[in-house]
Amino acid sequence: QVQLQESGPGLVKPSQTLSLTCTVSGGSISSGGYYWSWIRQHPGKGLEWIGYIYYSGSTYYNPSLKSRVTISVDTSKNQFSLKLSSVTAADTAVYYCAGGFEVLRIDYWGQGTLVTVSS
Amino acid sequence: QSVLTQPPSASGTPGQRVTISCSGSSSNIGSNYVYWYQQLPGTAPKLLIYRNNQRPSGVPDRFSGSKSGTSASLAISGLRSEDEADYYCAAWDDSLSGPGVFGGGTKLTVL
Repeated sequence: QVQLQESGPGLVKPSQTLSLTCTVSGGSISSGGYYWSWIRQHPGKGLEWIGYIYYSGSTYYNPSLKSRVTISVDTSKNQFSLKLSSVTAADTAVYYCAGGFEVLRIDYWGQGTLVTVSS
Repeated sequence: QSVLTQPPSASGTPGQRVTISCSGSSSNIGSNYVYWYQQLPGTAPKLLIYRNNQRPSGVPDRFSGSKSGTSASLAISGLRSEDEADYYCAAWDDSLSGPGVFGGGTKLTVL
């Protein structure tokens, strides 16, 4: 059974870069067909897709975040990562890493990690 | 403001059948699959329905999905107290050059 675990700082200062890593266990991140996503949820609000990376390396980002987002994969560590630059308080949210065989069919979720943007 | 519109709340009593709607347009629900997620308090979302009406293994058949035109629905029959959660629909939107979009979510209360 595939399991995902997010890791990274829980507190980031405004204007800095938010960096999170998702470690995948129970399966290979480079196995054919998987889409690996980052999704966030502002406190008390709904879900927002940040973007995803396909096992082949192609990426798609939410247009509203595209200029600040980078999602990458490290196959040697079976991890994928999120970088969100120039953060503001509006980026405070629970960040989930997730994966599945279709972009929108997310079978596997991390537990989520709260990232607070504050000085 | 999401491009997929859900009622903010829904409610029912144990044993009842409840439906949650998700309204979109021709660029999303009208031309793409719909997915449904359940989020219990304090936990990550869980996939309930994929490709409009398919259930992943382990999801009870009390949960069913349907789609008609530019709208979709999630039905929960034999409502249980443990079904109290937030429910989200999701779909790809052809007019956006990015990943899928979620509905705003519906909080289901079991009375």
